[in-house]
Amino acid sequence: AQSVTQPDIHITVSEGASLELRCNYSYGATPYLFWYVQSPGQGLQLLLKYFSGDTLVQGIKGFEAEFKRSQSSFNLRKPSVHWSDAAEYFCAVGALTDSWGKFQFGAGTQVVVTP
Amino acid sequence: GAGVSQSPSNKVTEKGKDVELRCDPISGHTALYWYRQSLGQGLEFLIYFQGNSAPDKSGLPSDRFSAERTGGSVSTLTIQRTQQEDSAVYLCASSFTSGVGDTQYFGPGTRLTVL
Repeated sequence: AQSVTQPDIHITVSEGASLELRCNYSYGATPYLFWYVQSPGQGLQLLLKYFSGDTLVQGIKGFEAEFKRSQSSFNLRKPSVHWSDAAEYFCAVGALTDSWGKFQFGAGTQVVVTP
Repeated sequence: GAGVSQSPSNKVTEKGKDVELRCDPISGHTALYWYRQSLGQGLEFLIYFQGNSAPDKSGLPSDRFSAERTGGSVSTLTIQRTQQEDSAVYLCASSFTSGVGDTQYFGPGTRLTVL
């Protein structure tokens, strides 16, 4: 069965420090992978997505993610965190053969940024 | 242009009452999705509409839940005889098509509290 795991429920990081959010998946087919961010009171916003090609994907707001098939991971990174990056982050996985509705979302990682 | 809008933003109801949640997708988007986000959980797919095709209702948790989409635009999610476990944030999203690669744009959600 397909699944998405975000091992870290909560991460605290200092402003200016680097950030890495983990995402592991279990999927039978070639996965399509996404990271979304949800700021307080806001809907989810797509940060980046991976379908094929270069395994290092650049997204908005200075985020990047790397697809590692051997580790079944799609970790999100940012070299230097800003206070505005405090939010909840969701990893999602789907497959070409699935309808959009069948995409699976992780439980989310809450990021707190300290001064 | 306007994004996805949802109303009401907050809804408090008593157990056993019916509620209706509304979603206005981005103009021209043919695909519309409803998700439920419970505290500490990822997004749970509820239902998906694509154009004039029959909706994919496979995610609806019980027959108390139903949704319709009128004129290929506005959608209403109805929960009958609400239960306390229905308390959650209900998110609507739309995309230009349901094709893989089409970004889903999310609304801000409706927070439902069942007393």
